Amino acid sequence: AQKVTQAQTEISVVEKEDVTLDCVYETRDTTYYLFWYKQPPSGELVFLIRRNSFDEQNEISGRYSWNFQKSTSSFNFTITASQVVDSAVYFCALTTSRISNFGNEKLTFGTGTRLTIIP
Amino acid sequence: SQTIHQWPATLVQPVGSPLSLECTVEGTSNPNLYWYRQAAGRGLQLLFYSVGIGQISSEVPQNLSASRPQDRQFILSSKKLLLSDSGFYLCAWSRIPGAVEQFFGPGTRLTVL
Repeated sequence: AQKVTQAQTEISVVEKEDVTLDCVYETRDTTYYLFWYKQPPSGELVFLIRRNSFDEQNEISGRYSWNFQKSTSSFNFTITASQVVDSAVYFCALTTSRISNFGNEKLTFGTGTRLTIIP
Repeated sequence: SQTIHQWPATLVQPVGSPLSLECTVEGTSNPNLYWYRQAAGRGLQLLFYSVGIGQISSEVPQNLSASRPQDRQFILSSKKLLLSDSGFYLCAWSRIPGAVEQFFGPGTRLTVL
C-alpha cells in the first residue's frame, strides 16, 4: 500500500517570507512518481511538478523549489518570497504505476496543506 | 493545447434525486479519464477511471456510476443521491502512453439537501 502524509494542516506566513511545505511518502515500489498540485480558492487543481524516483536532483522554478530525498522519503516544497497569490491548498501525491499503455495511473493524495499568505 | 471542461459548476439537489455530471476534454485523443471526489476539508478520493470508450473501473463501492460514451466524454451519474454524496467532484485526464501526471478540470460543487 502507498501513503502520502502532509502533517501541516494549515500554515500562515507574512508576505515575502519563505515557507516550506512538507510531504512524506510510503511505498514499497522502487519506481514511483511524486507530484505537487496547487488548489486555489477557485477549486481547480493545478499541476506544479512531477519527480521520478530515479532522479533525486532538486528542482527550482522561479520562486518554487522542490527537495526530494529518498533517504527520508520526503518531497518538500519551498516557496521563496511568498506572495498573496500563493495562498491555496497544496497537495502532494504519489503513484507507483509505471508509464504504460494501460493508463491506470492511480494517484494517492495527501490531505493537503492550506497556505495563507498574509499581506 | 488541451482543455478540460466540467458542468455544471455548482449543483444543489435533494436527497433521492438523480445526478449527471459531465466532463469533456479537448485537444487530445484517447485520454485516460478520472473522477475524483473531495469532501470538505479532505483530500481527493479516486472514484472511477477509464482507459477507453466503454471501459470503466470503479475504485470505491457506492451509489455512483460512470460512463464513457465517447472518447473525450466522461459522465458521473447516480440514480438516487445520498447526503453523503455532497462534495467537490473533479474530472481529470492524462495522456497515454508516456505520462503519469493528471490534469484537472474546474470541478463541480455538489450539495445534497
